[in-house]
Amino acid sequence: DTAVSQTPKYLVTQMGNDKSIKCEQNLGHDTMYWYKQDSKKFLKIMFSYNNKELIINETVPNRFSPKSPDKAHLNLHINSLELGDSAVYFCASSQVRSTYEQYFGPGTRLTVT
Amino acid sequence: GDSVTQMEGPVTLSEEAFLTINCTYTATGYPSLFWYVQYPGEGLQLLLKATKADDKGSNKGFEATYRKETTSFHLEKGSVQVSDSAVYFCALKTADTGNQFYFGTGTSLTVIP
Repeated sequence: DTAVSQTPKYLVTQMGNDKSIKCEQNLGHDTMYWYKQDSKKFLKIMFSYNNKELIINETVPNRFSPKSPDKAHLNLHINSLELGDSAVYFCASSQVRSTYEQYFGPGTRLTVT
Repeated sequence: GDSVTQMEGPVTLSEEAFLTINCTYTATGYPSLFWYVQYPGEGLQLLLKATKADDKGSNKGFEATYRKETTSFHLEKGSVQVSDSAVYFCALKTADTGNQFYFGTGTSLTVIP
């Protein structure tokens, strides 16, 4: 069973479009995250939700809007896509205890043309 | 604020060579420390972790020791294999930062036969 799953795995779209990426975890974790990884492999935290409540909201354009319908799901909606949004987006989950690691999804490679 | 500084890559080694990837950290509290590995086209997966000073994490022949006096968590392996080719990330998490993880910039390792 996949612990953290993301759909779609690949997403190719044109500038100006709106798209969503979905994430689900079956680990019973209380916290979920979205990261953006650029072409140099640098990981940037975008959002974090704890028990459906937004707790980390880094400086990202407001075209990016996360939504957590329940503890097991955290979706990412992106409006008016731009070329610079092209990247790999990773979802992750964890428990709030400080010793507990994160589990990552397989990633969604977004290409904006 | 909390941060992780990681040795820059890329690193290229011959099979059976000794590997060290340096990682130092800055943290206001008492962090847990992690090494993650990302194989090509995949998400990050936990390689090993250490949750208190002097702990040694180990997995798949990799080791790292939590050194509070030098604020370091260097990754080592005595004899690398071609299958170890990947990007390695050092990360920390503290109770003070809630649920936020801080990742290093990643070190790309290529092992040649």
